[in-house]
Amino acid sequence: GGIITQTPKFLIGQEGQKLTLKCQQNFNHDTMYWYRQDSGKGLRLIYYSITENDLQKGDLSEGYDASREKKSSFSLTVTSAQKNEMAVFLCASSRDRVGTEVFFGKGTRLTVV
Amino acid sequence: EQQVQQSPASLVLQEAENAELQCSFSIFTNQVQWFYQRPGGRLVSLLYNPSGTKQSGRLTSTTVIKERRSSLHISSSQITDSGTYLCAMGDSNYQLIWGSGTKLIIKP
Repeated sequence: GGIITQTPKFLIGQEGQKLTLKCQQNFNHDTMYWYRQDSGKGLRLIYYSITENDLQKGDLSEGYDASREKKSSFSLTVTSAQKNEMAVFLCASSRDRVGTEVFFGKGTRLTVV
Repeated sequence: EQQVQQSPASLVLQEAENAELQCSFSIFTNQVQWFYQRPGGRLVSLLYNPSGTKQSGRLTSTTVIKERRSSLHISSSQITDSGTYLCAMGDSNYQLIWGSGTKLIIKP
């Protein structure tokens, strides 16, 4: 088995601040994802990456940057945090492209004051 | 628009009853996965079942590809089974399309 580690678990930022969330996986999976989960809404895809140094935009990429520095890590940057923003950011990975099981990390809970 | 419909939206059962959750898809898919989440808790993968029937403990999932649907059966429900159950399908663009979830409440 493997594990997906997200850091930090809780992140409090100020309006306009640039914030970075990190994700590490030891599954040796090729594909990694960043999702955003808002209370009362479904998960929305922000970015995904199918290999090292690859980046693909999801439906919610505006306001975010991502970086796949190496196969095992995928970071997400909130370029300018919005006041009263509160959401959970979930990192996930899967072995291949479509058709394989997806595993999730425990999430980073973001609060912007 | 690709969609995943889950039913029922909420379900209240007595402990030890069986639960049946349904998921239907707007397109044919070869990636179906069921997840569980408690309020404020992490998203936990329950079963990956792109086709046929798969069982894990008290959980049984049946996916019928040609009918574009999947079900999750929870036998002998326990209070700790309470939470939200989500199904998701994979599309051709690497994205998971999510249902809105079934909120399950198990009462003693």
